[in-house]
Amino acid sequence: DGGITQSPKYLFRKEGQNVTLSCEQNLNHDAMYWYRQDPGQGLRLIYYSQIVNDFQKGDIAEGYSVSREKKESFPLTVTSAQKNPTAFYLCASSIQVRLSYGYTFGSGTRLTVV
Amino acid sequence: GQQLNQSPQSMFIQEGEDVSMNCTSSSIFNTWLWYKQDPGEGPVLLIALYKAGELTSNGRLTAQFGITRKDSFLNISASIPSDVGIYFCAGQLTGGGNKLTFGTGTQLKVEL
Repeated sequence: DGGITQSPKYLFRKEGQNVTLSCEQNLNHDAMYWYRQDPGQGLRLIYYSQIVNDFQKGDIAEGYSVSREKKESFPLTVTSAQKNPTAFYLCASSIQVRLSYGYTFGSGTRLTVV
Repeated sequence: GQQLNQSPQSMFIQEGEDVSMNCTSSSIFNTWLWYKQDPGEGPVLLIALYKAGELTSNGRLTAQFGITRKDSFLNISASIPSDVGIYFCAGQLTGGGNKLTFGTGTQLKVEL
């Protein structure tokens, strides 16, 4: 079955450490996205990539980094520069030329800084 | 970045009641989408709308693309406990590139 997989589901990090969240899709989608969701809040765009080896900052990119070396994979690194990293992180993908089909989302990773 | 205004922000209703929520913007959209997010999961697409005035149903859900192309609404009839979750509208702005703009979400709680 095609889909988008985020791992791990729960992640704990000590303050000052970098951590990488995995996102893999086998839908052959061109574009991939990372969103942050805080409790009771909407979705805020961190980074997005429309093609391999290219990505753009979203609305809240500070303290985060990404790479897009393969079409299937779009990992997100939460760096120690991110002041308040505890949140629910969602990865999504889409067919670039048919955005009217919307995004397919992963099931999310809940990151907690301890 | 721009977000769509959704209302109400949250709703607490009795099982069996009908629910209505809407999404508004000052900008024109050429696609409207409605998603549902279950607790601890990613959003799932419920309904997609492509033309102004379009009315589309999916089971107990009905959504409409506003005539002005600046709004959309979602109705849920005869709510059941599994309708609990956060409902997001999303749209593609005319000339907004290849990204969706998301609403602020409506949290629905259903009382038995």
